[in-house]
Amino acid sequence: RKEVEQDPGPFNVPEGATVAFNCTYSNSASQSFFWYRQDCRKEPKLLMSVYSSGNEDGRFTAQLNRASQYISLLIRDSKLSDSATYLCVVSEGLTGGGNKLTFGTGTQLKVEL
Amino acid sequence: DVKVTQSSRYLVKRTGEKVFLECVQDMDHENMFWYRQDPGLGLRLIYFSYDVKMKEKGDIPEGYSVSREKKERFSLILESASTNQTSMYLCASSEYRSSYNEQFFGPGTRLTVL
Repeated sequence: RKEVEQDPGPFNVPEGATVAFNCTYSNSASQSFFWYRQDCRKEPKLLMSVYSSGNEDGRFTAQLNRASQYISLLIRDSKLSDSATYLCVVSEGLTGGGNKLTFGTGTQLKVEL
Repeated sequence: DVKVTQSSRYLVKRTGEKVFLECVQDMDHENMFWYRQDPGLGLRLIYFSYDVKMKEKGDIPEGYSVSREKKERFSLILESASTNQTSMYLCASSEYRSSYNEQFFGPGTRLTVL
């Protein structure tokens, strides 16, 4: 079983649609959670952190359910520029400081006219 | 502006060659990481370092070694390249303090081993 599992997609949605991505993780000791975005042929970049209380950043809402070990990302009013691969990421602390990230394989989103 | 640079965007090597991939960050970050990214497998951690001359194995260290002689530079070494090491290699860095710290990635090096 993979440590972080995501539906690979692709999700093809029209502009303006609402789309939701889900992710599950297996390590109950994971400390923090993120969504990264990766454009085609580019490096991953942090989209947002995910907190138990849920958090929102503009059109993006992330939720964490620690009991179910489940993370979600909701994108409202999707734009063409949202087309990318969305990576679910969980983190554990390192002895020396900082964090070790474990990545899901990503969910591909294509927003169409 | 935050910046992580990698020495090459594309590299072609032959089986058995020794390969050096260089990564430099200008953010004075303590932690540095090397990943490889393959279709269907995602990003996998090869090695990381949380201080100069310190290194720790990640999830797939076999066939690789690393060097960190200066804080800003982290090198990945393929002692004897093999075709199964054909991949996209990504370097990242982050601050020391907590598990909430963002990792900043370089643009990647696409390595082909013939």
